[in-house]
Amino acid sequence: DSGVTQTPKHLITATGQRVTLRCSPRSGDLSVYWYQQSLDQGLQFLIHYYNGEERAKGNILERFSAQQFPDLHSELNLSSLELGDSALYFCASSVAGAQETQYFGPGTRLLVL
Amino acid sequence: QKEVEQDPGPLSVPEGAIVSLNCTYSNSAFQYFMWYRQYSRKGPELLMYTYSSGNKEDGRFTAQVDKSSKYISLFIRDSQPSDSATYLCAMSVNNAGNMLTFGGGTRLMVKP
Repeated sequence: DSGVTQTPKHLITATGQRVTLRCSPRSGDLSVYWYQQSLDQGLQFLIHYYNGEERAKGNILERFSAQQFPDLHSELNLSSLELGDSALYFCASSVAGAQETQYFGPGTRLLVL
Repeated sequence: QKEVEQDPGPLSVPEGAIVSLNCTYSNSAFQYFMWYRQYSRKGPELLMYTYSSGNKEDGRFTAQVDKSSKYISLFIRDSQPSDSATYLCAMSVNNAGNMLTFGGGTRLMVKP
């Protein structure tokens, strides 16, 4: 157990809908990262937040947004969902935001029908 | 072409074998190199972390980085059935917000 929690574990929804994925980092970690893992694209970095502020963005679609709250938990919002958004979404956390270990959560499996 | 290439496997070996897993990359700015292990339906778990070129050993695992060839390797000695998983290499530059770029993963099966 990495200490990173993600909810829900599974999510089934329809195209065009909006969902929110939640992540609680390890105790004491200030950084939260979101990744998407799909069969064709592999594991891809989406976005990084450090202590409430956005630090870096990867190939995150405009339909996707994220935020980190004062209690350091983070939410990833996915809107106008398409079939191709079906994937595993992982959250990771680290102590700060430099070159240290990222600890991954168990992931949320999203299925868009 | 992807920035980080990794043979997807599957790689099947008998218990006790030495396993060699490899990644090649194209971005010479990568400075930090990692190997993650991912069991089915679980999140990736960090195995090895190295900075720049050289070797690092931890128990049955040895990581090698050759920056001149843009090639990294993970060796597993005395492989066990519990090592059966997908192994992902990951890399980052030193000032990119700690963004990790992953290879596609190699699926390893160790047969008893």
